[in-house]
Amino acid sequence: GAVVSQHPSWVICKSGTSVKIECRSLDFQATTMFWYRQFPKQSLMLMATSNEGSKATYEQGVEKDKFLINHASLTLSTLTVTSAHPEDSSFYICSAIPSGFGETQYFGPGTRLLVL
Amino acid sequence: QKEVEQDPGPLSVPEGAIVSLNCTYSNSAFQYFMWYRQYSRKGPELLMYTYSSGNKEDGRFTAQVDKSSKYISLFIRDSQPSDSATYLCAMRVLLGAQKLVFGQGTRLTINP
Repeated sequence: GAVVSQHPSWVICKSGTSVKIECRSLDFQATTMFWYRQFPKQSLMLMATSNEGSKATYEQGVEKDKFLINHASLTLSTLTVTSAHPEDSSFYICSAIPSGFGETQYFGPGTRLLVL
Repeated sequence: QKEVEQDPGPLSVPEGAIVSLNCTYSNSAFQYFMWYRQYSRKGPELLMYTYSSGNKEDGRFTAQVDKSSKYISLFIRDSQPSDSATYLCAMRVLLGAQKLVFGQGTRLTINP
């Protein structure tokens, strides 16, 4: 149980385009999901906390207009990287906490984004 | 000073050795502690979690928490090549914000 999926697993796009990444909790409902990015050989950096039915809470230094987060249902959160640039190339990982069991975060497999 | 400090390694040990991975933290409000394993190009996988001082054992893995010293450890017994991965400690406060604070991660290699 507690499986989180991400789609796509990797994406290559041209500079200036937008990319949408989906995060789904497959066998549980998640009121809260999180989005992280991870650069090579570095730890996870929290970008934002996504709450179902409300606006996401962004960490300091993360541009909310660039990284659009939508948590429209209890099993789906999306991250859209708008007007992507090469410096946005990274590994994006989501996690989810099962509703009612707010202790453990389960992580998705990650999405590798390469902006050319 | 980072809230959570973890030696990034790399750490290389022979198969069968006991591995000790450690993190220190500065925020005494942290009450919930986790260890994640991350293979290359994959998402983190939860290994252990605990919210009390002392030891918690699960198979070959033992998590140890010393809140008085603000120090947590993960021990791996009878290490296997398949244990080669990056190990991340993570922690959070018990109430309120649910976000995790991660250590930098320790890259571990078990040599056959």
